[in-house]
Amino acid sequence: EVQLVESGGGLVKPGGSLRVSCAASGFTFSSHSMNWVRQAPGKGLEWVSFISSSSSYIYYADLVKGRFTISRDNAKNSLYLQMNSLRAEDTAVYYCARDFNGIITDWGQGTLVTVSS
Amino acid sequence: AIQMTQSPSSLSASVGDRVTITCRASQGIRNDLGWYQQKPGKAPKLLIYAASSLQSGVPSRFSGSGSGTDFTLTISSLQPEDFATYYCLQDYNYPLTFGQGTKVEIK
Repeated sequence: EVQLVESGGGLVKPGGSLRVSCAASGFTFSSHSMNWVRQAPGKGLEWVSFISSSSSYIYYADLVKGRFTISRDNAKNSLYLQMNSLRAEDTAVYYCARDFNGIITDWGQGTLVTVSS
Repeated sequence: AIQMTQSPSSLSASVGDRVTITCRASQGIRNDLGWYQQKPGKAPKLLIYAASSLQSGVPSRFSGSGSGTDFTLTISSLQPEDFATYYCLQDYNYPLTFGQGTKVEIK
């Protein structure tokens, strides 16, 4: 069974930094591209970032480009999102999501990031 | 970025009703579209991929159609567990973009 477990969310001040993580199990992590998707409270889904299986290809949404960095450690079956220069509008639940042949098929339960003074 | 326009934003329906939700892409995306269901406090769940392929384990009352710019999700006979918010997602190119969502409520 595919399992994606996010962690690392919390309260951070505007301008601060936070790293969220996703622990993957139940599939061959190193063979799959991964994504981060977020959802602000009461709002819709917003794609944030993509990383290919070997980290060769990385993409970001314009709103986070230059501030967020996606990475992965295939030896640890883990995905990361380093978030710097955080803004109030970055407040959201951050989901880790598995890519299967270009389709987002599986999601974690999410971790809440709150940016507030 | 490709814009996905989803409609309606909400609808009220009764158990047993046929429900249709549409998504329009701002440019052609072949059939690179998925539909997701999300219940409050839960992660989204994939229902349909490649516009019309039913994800394993998803009830056959869900179906998808369309290609190019216009897509439809149909629930043939709405069940109590189907009351949720539905999103389309284009995976034709990056940045991936979602529709605004359709909240299906009980009439």
